[in-house]
Order: sequence, then structure tokens, then C-alpha cells
Amino acid sequence: DVKVTQSSRYLVKRTGEKVFLECVQDMDHENMFWYRQDPGLGLRLIYFSYDVKMKEKGDIPEGYSVSREKKERFSLILESASTNQTSMYLCASTVGGQGKTQYFGPGTRLLVL
Amino acid sequence: SQQGEEDPQALSIQEGENATMNCSYKTSINNLQWYRQNSGRGLVHLILIRSNEREKHSGRLRVTLDTSKKSSSLLITASRAADTASYFCATVNREYGNKLVFGAGTILRVKS
Repeated sequence: DVKVTQSSRYLVKRTGEKVFLECVQDMDHENMFWYRQDPGLGLRLIYFSYDVKMKEKGDIPEGYSVSREKKERFSLILESASTNQTSMYLCASTVGGQGKTQYFGPGTRLLVL
Repeated sequence: SQQGEEDPQALSIQEGENATMNCSYKTSINNLQWYRQNSGRGLVHLILIRSNEREKHSGRLRVTLDTSKKSSSLLITASRAADTASYFCATVNREYGNKLVFGAGTILRVKS
């Protein structure tokens, strides 16, 4: 079975802190994604990566950056956390071209105070 | 936005009943996928239906797709308490770079 893991289930940070969210997948998938999920808004794509060191902006990249140094690991970085970044963050991966089935991690619920 | 929209937003039924959730979208698609999310967890893929398919089954799940109406439905038959979750449709279209576009979801509660 595909396994996607995220570094933390719950995280509490203060405004202005730099926050790292890490995602690791064990199935050699080319594509990895970061979403945020807010009530009533569904999932919104922040960034995605289709190869090592490659990244593309999604729908809401402002305030975020990403890093993909190894194929299995995709990190989301909040350079200076703000309260409006309090959300559920979900990582996903998929093989081959986009539009295929995505495999999700358990999510990280981030609270920024 | 090309986001799909699920209907209803919330649904509460008794165990054993069938649950139907609908999804409408705006642009032509390559495929449409349904996902389930248990409370506070990640999403789990349920079923993928391609644009040239009209119906697909997987166990107690039945998905239909009507591209002329730009809509899809997910039917869960003989529901169980364990089916309680949020259900999301996600569309894929070339104009959006073949990325998944998720709707806001339907919250299903199955009472035992």
C-alpha cells in the first residue's frame, strides 16, 4: 500500500515564526502536492512538484514556499506564519501524469496564535 | 473558479438506507474522482470515472457521470455507521493542467 506520512498531526506556532511541514511518500511517485483545507472551501492547491527540485504554484501560493530535494520528500514552508494560515494541511502524491488518483497523508492541523 | 460543487452540503440517514450525493462542475473534464475523508484525517480515493464512461461500480458504491449536464452522483447503498464521513468530488481537465479541483464536500452522517 502507498504510504504518505506527514511530520506532525497537530502543530501550534506563534505569529511570525517560520514553520516547516514535511511530507514523505514511499512509492517513488513523481508528483507531490500540498493543499490546505478550510471549512466550506474544500481543498485548495498551494504548490505542487512533478520532479526533484521542480515546483509550480497552485491556486494560493502566497505566504508559502516549498522544497523538494529528494523524490520522496516534499516540504511546505511558511516563511512568517500568520493567523490566517491556521488550517488543515494535506500532502498528496501520485504516479505519472497529473489527473491520476492521489494518495493523501493524514494531515497536519496547524494553529497559528 | 472551476471548483465542483457538491449537493447536499450535509446528509443524515439511518443505517441501511441509501445515500446519494451529487457533484456539478463547470468545464469539460478528463475524469472525475470521488474521495472520502473521515473526521480529521486525510482523503481516501474511492473511485475514478473517465469522461467517456457513464457508470461505474465498486462494492456498495455506484458513480454516474452525465457530461451533457456536467454532473456526477455517488450512491452508497445499504449505508453503515462506518460510512459517516465527508465526501468530495474532484475534477480533472486539461485547461487546468490536469490538476485535481475539489468541491467543498458533502458531510454524510449515518445513524445506527
